[in-house]
Amino acid sequence: QKEVEQNSGPLSVPEGAIASLNCTYSDRGSQSFFWYRQYSGKSPELIMFIYSNGDKEDGRFTAQLNKASQYVSLLIRDSQPSDSATYLCAVNIGSSNTGKLIFGQGTTLQVKP
Amino acid sequence: EPEVTQTPSHQVTQMGQEVILRCVPISNHLYFYWYRQILGQKVEFLVSFYNNEISEKSEIFDDQFSVERPDGSNFTLKIRSTKLEDSAMYFCASRLGLGGPETQYFGPGTRLLVL
Repeated sequence: QKEVEQNSGPLSVPEGAIASLNCTYSDRGSQSFFWYRQYSGKSPELIMFIYSNGDKEDGRFTAQLNKASQYVSLLIRDSQPSDSATYLCAVNIGSSNTGKLIFGQGTTLQVKP
Repeated sequence: EPEVTQTPSHQVTQMGQEVILRCVPISNHLYFYWYRQILGQKVEFLVSFYNNEISEKSEIFDDQFSVERPDGSNFTLKIRSTKLEDSAMYFCASRLGLGGPETQYFGPGTRLLVL
């Protein structure tokens, strides 16, 4: 069973701080990694994707991937109350060539004004 | 900006009834997916569809489920005889494919309640 694990939280940070969200995955053959944001009752919305080891930055968001440790993280700088949501880590596992995503259970982020 | 659309947004049905959930993927995308999310739980893969056939399905996607692309724009999920445990949010997603980005874009979802 291919697994994606996240701490469910809640992770609480003050406005303006850096929020760090973490995810581990079990399938070493996994190729693509995605972070989605999900507001309550809404659908997942893509934040970032990362395919290669290292860091990838997009505005206030930085994704970090370490395939050797099977670990992917998302940093949110200058956190805003509007960033309060559940962040889903999703992995395109190596054994599937159809692109199916395996999701973690999500980390709830609370940004306090 | 192109987006995935889904109808209806909410569906209430009686156990044992058939439901059809509809999706219009992004127009030039080639891969289509259905996922579901039971309240408070993970988003779970149901099925992927490419070139007018199912390319992969999960254990959840049993004989009660079917998918179809009846025309050039719609992609449907049918549940033949609904059970209480089918109550969930159902998301359609699409992906460009053909060497393009692997990103899947999700529709707004259909909330299905089986009574």
